[in-house]
Amino acid sequence: QKEVEQNSGPLSVPEGAIASLNCTYSDRGSQSFFWYRQYSGKSPELIMFIYSNGDKEDGRFTAQLNKASQYVSLLIRDSQPSDSATYLCAVNSHNTNAGKSTFGDGTTLTVKP
Amino acid sequence: EAGVTQFPSHSVIEKGQTVTLRCDPISGHDNLYWYRRVMGKEIKFLLHFVKESKQDESGMPNNRFLAERTGGTYSTLKVQPAELEDSGVYFCASSQGASRGYTFGSGTRLTVV
Repeated sequence: QKEVEQNSGPLSVPEGAIASLNCTYSDRGSQSFFWYRQYSGKSPELIMFIYSNGDKEDGRFTAQLNKASQYVSLLIRDSQPSDSATYLCAVNSHNTNAGKSTFGDGTTLTVKP
Repeated sequence: EAGVTQFPSHSVIEKGQTVTLRCDPISGHDNLYWYRRVMGKEIKFLLHFVKESKQDESGMPNNRFLAERTGGTYSTLKVQPAELEDSGVYFCASSQGASRGYTFGSGTRLTVV
């Protein structure tokens, strides 16, 4: 079992729809959770981080964390073609105080006009 | 604010040769990380510096890899001698806090032939 698993994708949604990206993790003691966006041929860019159970909203993005279920998700409302990218889930374990992140494979999102 | 700078952007070397990658973090970021992504795999942690000290080098694959961060500013990652399986994209990232998410550099694409 991988430490961080993301829905395999690719995911395709029409413009204006809600895109839902999911991630599960195996280390129950994980403390910090991140979503990065990576455009093709570019480096990952941090878009959200969340530490506490519940929802965290930033513009069209909402991160949801459920530590009991070891599940973190990213919702993108009013999806735009410019949101088309690979989304990476990253998790920091409680076994480190040093910021090491474990990444999932990523989910590729395509938003169709 | 200047971002994280990596060079070279691409490097093609023969098996057995030596390559040195360089990373300049964002000024004031004490935390510097090296990650790599080999073909078809997820981004994997190599090591983490806090200032000039190696905080965690658990991801370094073997003793052919040597990372330094003299003076706590820029960092180098040397691969000597390079093997075919070392091919991939090497990312550097930096952060102020240990668990606040990263700013990634644009990466160095290393090809060993």
